[in-house]
Amino acid sequence: AQSVTQLDSHVSVSEGTPVLLRCNYSSSYSPSLFWYVQHPNKGLQLLLKYTSAATLVKGINGFEAEFKKSETSFHLTKPSAHMSDAAEYFCVVIINSNTGKLIFGQGTTLQVKP
Amino acid sequence: DAGVTQSPTHLIKTRGQQVTLRCSPKSGHDTVSWYQQALGQGPQFIFQYYEEEERQRGNFPDRFSGHQFPNYSSELNVNALLLGDSALYLCASSLSGVYGYTFGSGTRLTVV
Repeated sequence: AQSVTQLDSHVSVSEGTPVLLRCNYSSSYSPSLFWYVQHPNKGLQLLLKYTSAATLVKGINGFEAEFKKSETSFHLTKPSAHMSDAAEYFCVVIINSNTGKLIFGQGTTLQVKP
Repeated sequence: DAGVTQSPTHLIKTRGQQVTLRCSPKSGHDTVSWYQQALGQGPQFIFQYYEEEERQRGNFPDRFSGHQFPNYSSELNVNALLLGDSALYLCASSLSGVYGYTFGSGTRLTVV
């Protein structure tokens, strides 16, 4: 069965320092993976997606993620955190099927301190 | 270009009542999926509608039902509400159910 595990429920960084949000996946198939961000009282916004093309994926707002099959990981990084990055982040896996059911991790809360 | 629109934004219901939530997909999208996000959790897949039919269903009881209309908009119905149904309900639309999902801001349902 497909699943994702976000290794940290809460990450705290100082503004201007790097961000690392960790995600491991489990999939019997070649997975497609996503990172979504959710700001308070807002819907989910797609940050980036991996769909079996380049393993290093660049997304919006300076975020990027690297797909590592040998480690079954898809960690999200950003070189320098901004206050506006404070939000909930979800790692998501999808089965390569026609139905497109998304499976979400439990989420990581990113706190950015001034 | 309007994104996904959900209504209402907030709703308070009493245990045992029934509720209907609505979703208008992004222009050009034909598939609607519904997710339930309990407080502090990741969203859980309820079901997906394509061509006015339920195409896939998650692990939710039959109290949860839905409908898709010819204009691709969708409704989520929940009968016999329980306190545990309190959650943020998210609608996501896509083209043919593959990738490119756009999420609405959700409906916050509180059952008292």
